[in-house]
Amino acid sequence: DTAVSQTPKYLVTQMGNDKSIKCEQNLGHDTMYWYKQDSKKFLKIMFSYNNKELIINETVPNRFSPKSPDKAHLNLHINSLELGDSAVYFCASSQESENTIYFGEGSWLTVV
Amino acid sequence: GEDVEQSLFLSVREGDSSVINCTYTDSSSTYLYWYKQEPGAGLQLLTYIFSNMDMKQDQRLTVLLNKKDKHLSLRIADTQTGDSAIYFCAESPGGNNRKLIWGLGTSLAVNP
Repeated sequence: DTAVSQTPKYLVTQMGNDKSIKCEQNLGHDTMYWYKQDSKKFLKIMFSYNNKELIINETVPNRFSPKSPDKAHLNLHINSLELGDSAVYFCASSQESENTIYFGEGSWLTVV
Repeated sequence: GEDVEQSLFLSVREGDSSVINCTYTDSSSTYLYWYKQEPGAGLQLLTYIFSNMDMKQDQRLTVLLNKKDKHLSLRIADTQTGDSAIYFCAESPGGNNRKLIWGLGTSLAVNP
């Protein structure tokens, strides 16, 4: 059983398109995240939701819109994709009472 | 400010010990983490240490924390080729485990 699963794993798309990445966790955690890892492996948090409420929103273009239909899901929608959006996007989850964040396998997005 | 620094590369021979070093800036960090990322894969939590500890050992892994110097290290005993990966250090500034600050990762190459 995959604890944090995200789809698709690979996505190649043209500039200007709109795409979504989906994430689900079956750990019963109350907090979910989206991280971006760029080509230099730099990892930075984008968003965090706790019980479906947005609690962390870093400086991210408003073309990126997270949506949390329930606390087990956090999807990332990206409008008008740009070349610079090419990266690996990691979904993650944690429980407030615990100390660790669990990551998904990553979604490799390439914008051409 | 918040910053986590690691050397970018480390090369060792199979069977030797590897020591990966990390420095951080936020003295209020409650937990410090080591994550492993294998090529094309997601982030796997290896271990973490609470800030009031000096050392934590888990099988082949030993974490040392020098809180005065804000220095964290990960020692891998009897390094194997399967240990080849990128190792990320992360801190939780202000004890906020939801918003980790990450290093750029150390690429460990294990040579036969």
